[in-house]
Amino acid sequence: DTAVSQTPKYLVTQMGNDKSIKCEQNLGHDTMYWYKQDSKKFLKIMFSYNNKELIINETVPNRFSPKSPDKAHLNLHINSLELGDSAVYFCASSQEPGYEQYFGPGTRLTVT
Amino acid sequence: GQQVMQIPQYQHVQEGEDFTTYCNSSTTLSNIQWYKQRPGGHPVFLIQLVKSGEVKKQKRLTFQFGEAKKNSSLHITATQTTDVGTYFCAGAGTYKYIFGTGTRLKVLA
Repeated sequence: DTAVSQTPKYLVTQMGNDKSIKCEQNLGHDTMYWYKQDSKKFLKIMFSYNNKELIINETVPNRFSPKSPDKAHLNLHINSLELGDSAVYFCASSQEPGYEQYFGPGTRLTVT
Repeated sequence: GQQVMQIPQYQHVQEGEDFTTYCNSSTTLSNIQWYKQRPGGHPVFLIQLVKSGEVKKQKRLTFQFGEAKKNSSLHITATQTTDVGTYFCAGAGTYKYIFGTGTRLKVLA
């Protein structure tokens, strides 16, 4: 039983398209995150939700919009995709902010 | 803003040699976490350090938190090929962790 799952695993799309990545955790955690990992492996936090409330909103283009329908789900919608959006996007969850984080398998997004 | 740097960026070692990665923060940290990411995989939590000067061991891995709580280190004794991957420290900020730049370890058999 996967603790943190993401779909899709791979996403190849053209510039200008809109796409979504879904994340679900079955750990009963209150906090969920979205991270972006670029080609140099730098891991940067984008958003965090605690009990469905946005608590971290880093300097990210407003083309990126997170949505948390409930505590177990945190989705990421990206409008007007650009070449620079190509990266691996990881979802993660933790019991509360500041606790150990459990990462999903990642979604490799390629924008052509 | 808060920055967390790690050195070295890359390290190649012969199997059986020791390995150390260092993590330095621009600000004092309330705690620090360490993660390992295997090639093609996702980060996996290793440990969390909270107290100034704290040292924790996990088999061949030794983690240390600096007295000033601005730096940390991870030392692996007698590396094995299974230790291959990128090691990240993550320093605690407000509600979030700032991940370090990572150290990629290659172990040559």
